Amino acid sequence: QKEVEQNSGPLSVPEGAIASLNCTYSDRGSQSFFWYRQYSGKSPELIMFIYSNGDKEDGRFTAQLNKASQYVSLLIRDSQPSDSATYLCAVKWGYGGSQGNLIFGKGTKLSVKP
Amino acid sequence: EAGVVQSPRYKIIEKKQPVAFWCNPISGHNTLYWYRQNLGQGPELLIRYENEEAVDDSQLPKDRFSAERLKGVDSTLKIQPAELGDSAVYLCASSFSPSDTEAFFGQGTRLTVV
Repeated sequence: QKEVEQNSGPLSVPEGAIASLNCTYSDRGSQSFFWYRQYSGKSPELIMFIYSNGDKEDGRFTAQLNKASQYVSLLIRDSQPSDSATYLCAVKWGYGGSQGNLIFGKGTKLSVKP
Repeated sequence: EAGVVQSPRYKIIEKKQPVAFWCNPISGHNTLYWYRQNLGQGPELLIRYENEEAVDDSQLPKDRFSAERLKGVDSTLKIQPAELGDSAVYLCASSFSPSDTEAFFGQGTRLTVV
């Protein structure tokens, strides 16, 4: 069974610090990787996606992918209180009967303290 | 461009009653997902459609849940009869294709079964 694992947290960081969120996945056939942010009572909102090994930067956000280690992370630089939310890692599988399925982890709750 | 539209936003029903949720995906998006999200958990995939075909319904509790996507656009998810454990947020998401592209979520329907 394909799984996506995240530390549920809560992860607490001071304002201005770097928040590091981690995710592991169970299957090397995974094709693409996504980070969603979910505020309390709201639906998930896409932040970033990454397909290739290495880093991808977008503003204060950097996604890192290591397919050999089956590991994907999200770094948030200069964290702001408005970044306080649950961050969901999602993996889309690229082969077999699950090809195209988008599977989520349980999410990591981030709290940025002023 | 309009996003994914879901209705209703909230629904309270008594157990054993039927309930239906409606989703209109982003125009041109062929892939449609239905998820269930329990409090403090990540979204769990229930069913994925490619156009009008349900390509993966392996996680859909078929004894009481059903779904359809007539004409490959709008979709309806039904529960009959509802149980107390069905209380959750039901999320619909769509993407252009099942391959690399990201998925976008609707606002969700919060179901409470009493």
